[in-house]
Amino acid sequence: AQSVAQPEDQVNVAEGNPLTVKCTYSVSGNPYLFWYVQYPNRGLQFLLKYITGDNLVKGSYGFEAEFNKSQTSFHLKKPSALVSDSALYFCAVRDTFTGGGNKLTFGTGTQLKVEL
Amino acid sequence: EAGVTQFPSHSVIEKGQTVTLRCDPISGHDNLYWYRRVMGKEIKFLLHFVKESKQDESGMPNNRFLAERTGGTYSTLKVQPAELEDSGVYFCASSLLGPGANVLTFGAGSRLTVL
Repeated sequence: AQSVAQPEDQVNVAEGNPLTVKCTYSVSGNPYLFWYVQYPNRGLQFLLKYITGDNLVKGSYGFEAEFNKSQTSFHLKKPSALVSDSALYFCAVRDTFTGGGNKLTFGTGTQLKVEL
Repeated sequence: EAGVTQFPSHSVIEKGQTVTLRCDPISGHDNLYWYRRVMGKEIKFLLHFVKESKQDESGMPNNRFLAERTGGTYSTLKVQPAELEDSGVYFCASSLLGPGANVLTFGAGSRLTVL
């Protein structure tokens, strides 16, 4: 069975500093990996995905993530955090063997708090 | 483009009552998914429609949950009778078929509180 671990419930960072939100995964085949963000009272918004190709994936709002197969990780990063980045971030994985549907397995979420 | 709309945004019911949640996907999105987040835990898959057909309902907790998507447009998720452990946030998501299928657009969720 596939699984996702987000080891940090909360990450605090000062505005202007780099941020990292950690994610590790487990799947039986090759993974499709995703990051979604949830702002208060809003739905989850797609940030970026890794399907194949370059291990460094760039997404919305200046975020990027690095796929590391040997460490089974897909950490989310941003060079310079903004207060407006404060939100709940979810990592998700889909096993390529699941067929046509997008039956995603999510992590428990990491609350990012960016302070002035 | 209108997003995925869910109604109600919050429902508070007594144990044993019935609740029906509704999801209006983005127009033209044939894939429709229901997910649930309970008590701050991970978001879990419930089921997947392709148009009006249930493609995968392996995540449905038990037979107290019934999902429908008549006509392949909006979907409803009925919980009858509701139990305390059903409390949580129910998310609906939709996507295109084909190349756009991997990116899901989520609604804001329906928060269900069972007392």
